[in-house]
Amino acid sequence: DTAVSQTPKYLVTQMGNDKSIKCEQNLGHDTMYWYKQDSKKFLKIMFSYNNKELIINETVPNRFSPKSPDKAHLNLHINSLELGDSAVYFCAAGVPSTDTQYFGPGTRLTVL
Amino acid sequence: GENVEQHPSTLSVQEGDSAVIKCTYSDSASNYFPWYKQELGKGPQLIIDIRSNVGEKKDQRIAVTLNKTAKHFSLHITETQPEDSAVYFCAADQAGTALIFGKGTTLSVSS
Repeated sequence: DTAVSQTPKYLVTQMGNDKSIKCEQNLGHDTMYWYKQDSKKFLKIMFSYNNKELIINETVPNRFSPKSPDKAHLNLHINSLELGDSAVYFCAAGVPSTDTQYFGPGTRLTVL
Repeated sequence: GENVEQHPSTLSVQEGDSAVIKCTYSDSASNYFPWYKQELGKGPQLIIDIRSNVGEKKDQRIAVTLNKTAKHFSLHITETQPEDSAVYFCAADQAGTALIFGKGTTLSVSS
């Protein structure tokens, strides 16, 4: 069983469009995250949700909005996509203080 | 907030040699230090982790050491194999709620 899954794996879209990436975890953890990995492979946290409540919101444009319908899902909506949004986005689950943090396989977003 | 520095950025070794990757962190309150391996096109996979009440941890060919006084930790891979080639990331927890990552080390093992 895949612990953390994401869809889609690849997403190619035009500037200005709105898109969503879905994430699901079957680990039973209360906390989920979104990370962005840029072209230089740097991994940076974007958001953290604990049991459907936003905990961390790093300096991310408000065009990015996470939504958690339940504690097993954390989706990422991006409005008015820009070229600079092109990156690989990873979902993760598990809070470091008590859990191992597992990552999903990533979604490669390309904005043309 | 936490800041993690990782060195070297690239490392090339011959099969069978050892590889060492070093990280330093800034926040003395950090207590959890995982290492992730990322292969091309995949998500980061946890390979080993250590918590601050332990100085060293070993799992077969992989070991991690932690020096809390100096605020640095290291990954040691012995008897490297070509399949060890990947990007390795160290990380430290920030207030127990998130992971702050180093910039990664690209390890190449040639046979």
